Amino acid sequence: TQLLEQSPQFLSIQEGENLTVYCNSSSVFSSLQWYRQEPGEGPVLLVTVVTGGEVKKLKRLTFQFGDARKDSSLHITAAQPGDTGLYLCAGLNSGNTPLVFGKGTRLSVIA
Amino acid sequence: DAGITQSPRHKVTETGTPVTLRCHQTENHRYMYWYRQDPGHGLRLIHYSYGVKDTDKGEVSDGYSVSRSKTEDFLLTLESATSSQTSVYFCAISESGKSYEQYFGPGTRLTVT
Repeated sequence: TQLLEQSPQFLSIQEGENLTVYCNSSSVFSSLQWYRQEPGEGPVLLVTVVTGGEVKKLKRLTFQFGDARKDSSLHITAAQPGDTGLYLCAGLNSGNTPLVFGKGTRLSVIA
Repeated sequence: DAGITQSPRHKVTETGTPVTLRCHQTENHRYMYWYRQDPGHGLRLIHYSYGVKDTDKGEVSDGYSVSRSKTEDFLLTLESATSSQTSVYFCAISESGKSYEQYFGPGTRLTVT
């Protein structure tokens, strides 16, 4: 069974601080996705990374896929209360198998 | 936003009763999924479908069945609900290509008393 370990599980920071959350596995994935989930809603796709070493930026969010395609990180610069939520990573193994989801990092940004 | 709706959005039922949750999409996506989300466990796949009448089990399929008679509808049935099935249930859709990115519905909160 492929597993994606996310760390930390919980993170509480002040507005304006920077943070990084991690998604690690011993397995290789063909691509990796990040989702954000707000309370009472379904997860929403933020980004997909497909190439080892790839870096994608989405405003203050920077996503990186590890060179070996086994891990990924999400860095948020100058966090804002609107960034509060559950961040989930999900890996795709082969084309027609379901995504493997991590358990998520719950982020709270305090104003 | 992808056109995915779930019904009902909230349901309270008694142990032993059958329950059916509905997921409806307007995107004509091939793949549909049912997940449950519980504290400490994250999202866990129950069943998924890769086409009309084509379904497969996920990691927590015991006690659940599914049906897909039309592209747009994916039904999840709890034949005899138990308290351990109290959870938030999410439906998702995806298409082949684009790394099977998933689009989620708003969720159904089910309480089994």
